[in-house]
Amino acid sequence: AQSVTQPDIHITVSEGASLELRCNYSYGATPYLFWYVQSPGQGLQLLLKYFSGDTLVQGIKGFEAEFKRSQSSFNLRKPSVHWSDAAEYFCAMDTGRRALTFGSGTRLQVQP
Amino acid sequence: SAVISQKPSRDICQRGTSLTIQCQVDSQVTMMFWYRQQPGQSLTLIATANQGSEATYESGFVIDKFPISRPNLTFSTLTVSNMSPEDSSIYLCSAHRGLNTGELFFGEGSRLTVL
Repeated sequence: AQSVTQPDIHITVSEGASLELRCNYSYGATPYLFWYVQSPGQGLQLLLKYFSGDTLVQGIKGFEAEFKRSQSSFNLRKPSVHWSDAAEYFCAMDTGRRALTFGSGTRLQVQP
Repeated sequence: SAVISQKPSRDICQRGTSLTIQCQVDSQVTMMFWYRQQPGQSLTLIATANQGSEATYESGFVIDKFPISRPNLTFSTLTVSNMSPEDSSIYLCSAHRGLNTGELFFGEGSRLTVL
């Protein structure tokens, strides 16, 4: 079955610390991959996307993600977290249907 | 980026009633999608709405419960029929900008609470 797994439901990091959010997908080929962020009471904002080519993609707000085919992973990283990064983060994939399959989300809390 | 507007942004509804959510996109789009986000949960695709044809529903969602209209290339509606408390969710409309970007833009959602 096609699915996206985010194994960490909740992560807490200190402000200024580095961050890595995990995402694994299950699909027979390489899908399009996305990371979205949802702040409280707001809609979804696209952070970055991977279609093909360079496996390290840069996004907005200082985020980056690395696609690893061998691990079916697309982990999101940020070298230094800011308090404003506290939000829910969703990994998603498009297998060609043009609709997205979302992971369960990771809630990020940032400690001062 | 595409701008997607949804109305209402939130509503409190009585059990057994129906509510229609409107979604307006600021440019013509081929496909529009409706998602549901139950409290504390991720997003689940309800259906894909194409202009000029019946919406395509995902497993677990049926047209009688969630009728969808797509009268033109910039507008769609989702009706949540005969609501129960289990329908309390955020309903989000989304669309691609252009034909080939692969990137979905989302409205800010319609938060429904059913009493």
